[in-house]
Amino acid sequence: DQQVKQNSPSLSVQEGRISILNCDYTNSMFDYFLWYKKYPAEGPTFLISISSIKDKNEDGRFTVFLNKSAKHLSLHIVPSQPGDSAVYFCAASAGGGNTPLVFGKGTRLSVIA
Amino acid sequence: DAGVIQSPRHEVTEMGQEVTLRCKPISGHNSLFWYRQTMMRGLELLIYFNNNVPIDDSGMPEDRFSAKMPNASFSTLKIQPSEPRDSAVYFCASSPGATNTGELFFGEGSRLTVL
Repeated sequence: DQQVKQNSPSLSVQEGRISILNCDYTNSMFDYFLWYKKYPAEGPTFLISISSIKDKNEDGRFTVFLNKSAKHLSLHIVPSQPGDSAVYFCAASAGGGNTPLVFGKGTRLSVIA
Repeated sequence: DAGVIQSPRHEVTEMGQEVTLRCKPISGHNSLFWYRQTMMRGLELLIYFNNNVPIDDSGMPEDRFSAKMPNASFSTLKIQPSEPRDSAVYFCASSPGATNTGELFFGEGSRLTVL
């Protein structure tokens, strides 16, 4: 039973356009949400996060939106660049730094030049 | 600063052999996590430790899997005997535990192939 779902296994976007990656969750106890980026043969690296008390967090070209009532979050990348091509994992936490993250299966983003 | 260090990076072994994966967390981090990545299941938690104590091992698939953390700077994940379905990338991650963000710091992973 997946608590964090990324329903799009892959996404292709033209360079310079917006990339939108979506994530849904089922556990109401989640209070922190994170996006990780993973290149081949490397470990996932933290990209951006949002607390459940907010509905938006922005960091440069990356913005995460949270809709608690819909149990949905999304990652927007504007403008998309070829170096953004990677697998993006959505993750959720219920309890802070000593508890594990629950991950979605990932979305492979390809940014085409 | 050194990140999470995992070894070996690649392991190819035959079915029935014992496999030991190693992890050195970031110094000062008091939580350590073992995850496994497969195409079918994505990133799934196997086990995690807080202050060297195993907290939840419900993700360990079978008794063939075991993990230890004898001290704050070292952990092992052992598979004995290994089977082809254990082929995956195994990630170790650590967390300082003092934050409320839940951010984990991952190693580069150990790619295991069981023939």
